[in-house]
This record gives sequence, structure tokens and C-alpha cells, in this order.
Amino acid sequence: AQTVTQSQPEMSVQEAETVTLSCTYDTSESDYYLFWYKQPPSRQMILVIRQEAYKQQNATENRFSVNFQKAAKSFSLKISDSQLGDAAMYFCAYRSYSGGGADGLTFGKGTHLIIQP
Amino acid sequence: DTAVSQTPKYLVTQMGNDKSIKCEQNLGHDTMYWYKQDSKKFLKIMFSYNNKELIINETVPNRFSPKSPDKAHLNLHINSLELGDSAVYFCASSQGAGGQEQYFGPGTRLTVT
Repeated sequence: AQTVTQSQPEMSVQEAETVTLSCTYDTSESDYYLFWYKQPPSRQMILVIRQEAYKQQNATENRFSVNFQKAAKSFSLKISDSQLGDAAMYFCAYRSYSGGGADGLTFGKGTHLIIQP
Repeated sequence: DTAVSQTPKYLVTQMGNDKSIKCEQNLGHDTMYWYKQDSKKFLKIMFSYNNKELIINETVPNRFSPKSPDKAHLNLHINSLELGDSAVYFCASSQGAGGQEQYFGPGTRLTVT
């Protein structure tokens, strides 16, 4: 079974600065997908970024980028120019490629990101 | 238009009762899921349905039963509610194989007293 580990229960960053959230995972599969989801106080789960394991290029979405190290099984999220609206719980998630689209996501325990004004 | 909707958003009930949570998606997706988020914010997959067939059941007690009347709906029935069932339950949907994202509903906060 796959596991996802987020070792930082809470992180704090000054507004406009850069912060990196860590995620490691354990799997024996070679093809899979990795995600970062954001959950603000409204509790809505919002996809931040997605990475396919077969792609060497790191995914980016505006101020959000990842550092995907497949050999190290590491998938960190970098948030540049932090904004107050970035304050939320961030979850790293894994999904198997095999089994088609019916596989559920395996989540880490989350990192609570605090933005200091 | 709301992509994935759940009703109710809040549900307070007593131990031993039976309750249902409804989920509907208007995205045309063929796979739907139920997740449970506990008091420590940990999210875990409970079920998924693909083309009206149960695909995953992650050691969830049989008091929980998903029912899908059609591809756009996946309801969660819970019998004989227990205090430990208190949590936020999320419905999600996705389309087919591959890395398509799962779209989540707003969640239902269930409180069992």
C-alpha cells in the first residue's frame, strides 16, 4: 500500500515571501500521479497542482511550483510571493495509475500554512 | 453551476439513528468517491463507484453503504450511527483513467451525539 508523509504539521511565512512544503511518499509503482490540494477554512478541497510521475519536468501553476524527485520519492510544493489567501491546510496526495480512474487518493496528514501579514 | 454538490452540509443526530448524505455531480464524470475527514483533518477514501459498480471498499464498517441510482449520484447511507462516525464526509468525482483531478463537493459535517 502507498503511504504519503508530510512532516511539517504547521508552517508560517511572511506575506510576499516564499515557502516550501515537504511531501514524501512510498510506492512500488512506476506510474502514478501526485497532487497538492488546498483546504481553506471554508473546507472546500481545491486542486493546486498535479504531477505525472512519467514527466521529468516539474509542474508549475502561476505562483505554485513543485520539486518532483522521483528517485527520492519526494514531491515538495513551493509557493512564491505568499498571499493572505494562501493560508490553508495543504494536502499532498498520491494516486495509482493502474486500475484506471477508480483509484482513490491517498493523502498525507496535511500542513497548516499560516501567512503573517 | 455547482460541479459537485452534497446535501445536507451539516447533520446533527443521535447515536443509533440511520442517516443519508446525498451527492450529485453535473460534470458527466463516470467515477464518484466518498472520503472521510476525521477530527485531525486526515482524509481517507471510503468508496468509489465506477459505472455504478463498487470499486473500492477500504475496510469501512458495513454500517456504511453507498448507493448509486445513476452515474450522476452517489449517496451514502449510514446505519446505527456511533460517536466515532462524527467527521466531515466528502463526495468527489473524476472522469476515467489517467491523472484527471478529482473534484470535491463542499463536505458534510456529521455530528453524532
